Amino acid sequence: KAGVTQTPRYLIKTRGQQVTLSCSPISGHRSVSWYQQTPGQGLQFLFEYFSETQRNKGNFPGRFSGRQFSNSRSEMNVSTLELGDSALYLCASSFGQGSSPLHFGNGTRLTVT
Amino acid sequence: DAKTTQPPSMDCAEGRAANLPCNHSTISGNEYVYWYRQIHSQGPQYIIHGLKNNETNEMASLIITEDRKSSTLILPHATLRDTAVYYCIVRLDAGGTSYGKLTFGQGTILTVHP
Repeated sequence: KAGVTQTPRYLIKTRGQQVTLSCSPISGHRSVSWYQQTPGQGLQFLFEYFSETQRNKGNFPGRFSGRQFSNSRSEMNVSTLELGDSALYLCASSFGQGSSPLHFGNGTRLTVT
Repeated sequence: DAKTTQPPSMDCAEGRAANLPCNHSTISGNEYVYWYRQIHSQGPQYIIHGLKNNETNEMASLIITEDRKSSTLILPHATLRDTAVYYCIVRLDAGGTSYGKLTFGQGTILTVHP
């Protein structure tokens, strides 16, 4: 079956702009989590959505937000972009319960200039 | 979630078994061990997970010690395409608010040589 799909694959934005990233989970998965990966900080958890509700949030400023739709697709938004927001943004989906693992997409590479 | 310790790098010859260790001495009874790998510029790929019994799938085997303080991921016949960063992660099976949060360490860079 199809894996986790993230769009766009690459994005270049200017400091101060805002950006929206999209994630389509594996069919049947109700949980979507977002991660930021940078060379300095590694993989860091942003937030998780389950059945359209944010279930957990990492230690990121309020400029980072997300939402989940009734079909489990999710979007992540970053407002007032800063140079330090340049990173690979990864989305992961899962059934959202028990020991079922997270499955990651290949990410969106965001570059802020 | 329990903290994990992995060697920063390992080498393996193509065709040989790759044995990647992970220490998780503070693991609690209801925490699972998960292994992921990440090839450059791709998202982490799920490999295998287990609680206390050894597990095997088409990709790898997971050996968890009886006291559960450490585990080993085994790639039985490593190929050049197995060159990647391998992450060992411990996650509490409590569902709810902590479910989607995985804590990634630095992982082990496995290099498979011809």
